[in-house]
Amino acid sequence: DTGVSQNPRHKITKRGQNVTFRCDPISEHNRLYWYRQTLGQGPEFLTYFQNEAQLEKSRLLSDRFSAERPKGSFSTLEIQRTEQGDSAMYLCATGGEGGQGSGKLFFGSGTQLSVL
Amino acid sequence: GQQVMQIPQYQHVQEGEDFTTYCNSSTTLSNIQWYKQRPGGHPVFLIQLVKSGEVKKQKRLTFQFGEAKKNSSLHITATQTTDVGTYFCAAPGELSFGAGTTVTVRA
Repeated sequence: DTGVSQNPRHKITKRGQNVTFRCDPISEHNRLYWYRQTLGQGPEFLTYFQNEAQLEKSRLLSDRFSAERPKGSFSTLEIQRTEQGDSAMYLCATGGEGGQGSGKLFFGSGTQLSVL
Repeated sequence: GQQVMQIPQYQHVQEGEDFTTYCNSSTTLSNIQWYKQRPGGHPVFLIQLVKSGEVKKQKRLTFQFGEAKKNSSLHITATQTTDVGTYFCAAPGELSFGAGTTVTVRA
């Protein structure tokens, strides 16, 4: 158990609906990342927080995607008006002290999204 | 798109044999990390390499960072069934993961 908790584990939704995923990091970790992974591919970076500050969000896939990390603790990723192409595993990863490119990441078990 | 390229995409290995997977970047990397993802699981950190030409070993796994810091390799000796999974290299400074090498083992 890595200590990074993601909820829900699975989400099935209809096209056009909004969905929100939650990530609870390891308590002392100030860096938090969201990735998307599809079958046969590596994790694709979406966005990054250092404490409560969202330092990189240019790679969010569209304006339908948004993320927050109030108070620098848990984070949420919201997808509005879901499309079938959004079906994927959404992974959260956290890391301790250091900047963007330093230190190992601890991944959660992910949220598997299926858009019907 | 992904800024680090991994080859091969798939590696089918006879138990007991050795194999190597490679990671290449067109730009110089500040550091490189390797992760392993078991089937149905999430990526788990294996190692980080920082220095040019650095070599690190973990039991049967040997990791190497190229002199130009543009490539890296993972070599596994005497493959076991526990080595099954997908191995990713990651360029954390670029927030980029490779597509991975998926390893299957024939007993």
